[in-house]
Amino acid sequence: DAGITQSPRYKITETGRQVTLMCHQTWSHSYMFWYRQDLGHGLRLIYYSAAADITDKGEVPDGYVVSRSKTENFPLTLESATRSQTSVYFCASSGTGEGYTFGSGTRLTVV
Amino acid sequence: SQQGEEDPQALSIQEGENATMNCSYKTSINNLQWYRQNSGRGLVHLILIRSNEREKHSGRLRVTLDTSKKSSSLLITASRAADTASYFCATARTGNQFYFGTGTSLTVIP
Repeated sequence: DAGITQSPRYKITETGRQVTLMCHQTWSHSYMFWYRQDLGHGLRLIYYSAAADITDKGEVPDGYVVSRSKTENFPLTLESATRSQTSVYFCASSGTGEGYTFGSGTRLTVV
Repeated sequence: SQQGEEDPQALSIQEGENATMNCSYKTSINNLQWYRQNSGRGLVHLILIRSNEREKHSGRLRVTLDTSKKSSSLLITASRAADTASYFCATARTGNQFYFGTGTSLTVIP
């Protein structure tokens, strides 16, 4: 089905572990984004990508790594998870100058 | 920060009334968008308005943009219980990177 899918939907991990959140879109949108949503902070941009092999930092990139070897995939990796990274993570995609389409989110808990 | 700030933080109205939410921002922008988020769900794009536009409509939604005041408003007319959600504005100064505010929580009472 066309759309943008995130996996897993829920994840619990331990402090210090590496965890990867997956994002896949089927529209061949050029742009993809990762946001985190926390109470009191709204959505904050972590990383974005304008095309395959092109990524750039957003507002809060520290502790995160992204890659985009294919247009349709944009995984987000937490290299060494910390409790402060407990959040809901949203992936989004868009064409140039268009509104974003968001995934359903991944709720990550770091214990 | 490039974030927009929504006002009010929370709004409660009766079904059938109009709901108005405001967004203010600090830097010049080229685009502004409004999104809706139902509890526990992802965000849904409502309207994109460009800096050279002053007003846009989509069904019961009306968005205005005043670049001289660095503000935008979202009006939902004849509200329904299903409009209960959080509403976010997002601004882009350049390119396609949008920065979101903290949202307005709208409750429509049946």
